[in-house]
Amino acid sequence: NAGVTQTPKFQVLKTGQSMTLQCAQDMNHNSMYWYRQDPGMGLRLIYYSASEGTTDKGEVPNGYNVSRLNKREFSLRLESAAPSQTSVYFCAAKRTAINQPQHFGDGTRLSIL
Amino acid sequence: DQQVKQNSPSLSVQEGRISILNCDYTNSMFDYFLWYKKYPAEGPTFLISISSIKDKNEDGRFTVFLNKSAKHLSLHIVPSQPGDSAVYFCAAFPLNRDDKIIFGKGTRLHILP
Repeated sequence: NAGVTQTPKFQVLKTGQSMTLQCAQDMNHNSMYWYRQDPGMGLRLIYYSASEGTTDKGEVPNGYNVSRLNKREFSLRLESAAPSQTSVYFCAAKRTAINQPQHFGDGTRLSIL
Repeated sequence: DQQVKQNSPSLSVQEGRISILNCDYTNSMFDYFLWYKKYPAEGPTFLISISSIKDKNEDGRFTVFLNKSAKHLSLHIVPSQPGDSAVYFCAAFPLNRDDKIIFGKGTRLHILP
């Protein structure tokens, strides 16, 4: 029972390179989220998807795009990576019902040189 | 401006004693509050939550207290165990708007033998 799976776990990019972070969940949840966590900071929402086919911007969407491919998968793309995007990225999934907690993947540690 | 504040970056507690982690919030629209626990190299995991209609919620060794007038909540862990050593995040969102969830910066709890 994997829950939320993120790939890759680690990645190093050069400035200007592009990259897609993958996230898949097997819990049949409708809502999915992408967060970034920086040292000394809480989790900040990049984008979320309330259901298949819909996406919305969160607190820090600049420099990112997302795609909700189907109910299971929600990918995050960096078109032209910048050093400021060095971070740990977490994907989460949640049931649609109100006041339900999010279930997180184990993160992707991304370094931009 | 931080809407969810965890003012103690770290806390050390003797094994067997009570651990108290604090969280303050500024947004009076916040209606639901959660605590997540995070181990290194893993994603956050949901621990316990409380709705604004309650002032206490208990789950085993974990109790969350909410003081709405003071805009303050706390997590009590009794008794503290070595496996409780982790980073704890407080989070909050307005009624039915979990897309607006805001996380605190976290408190690192060290349980001393």
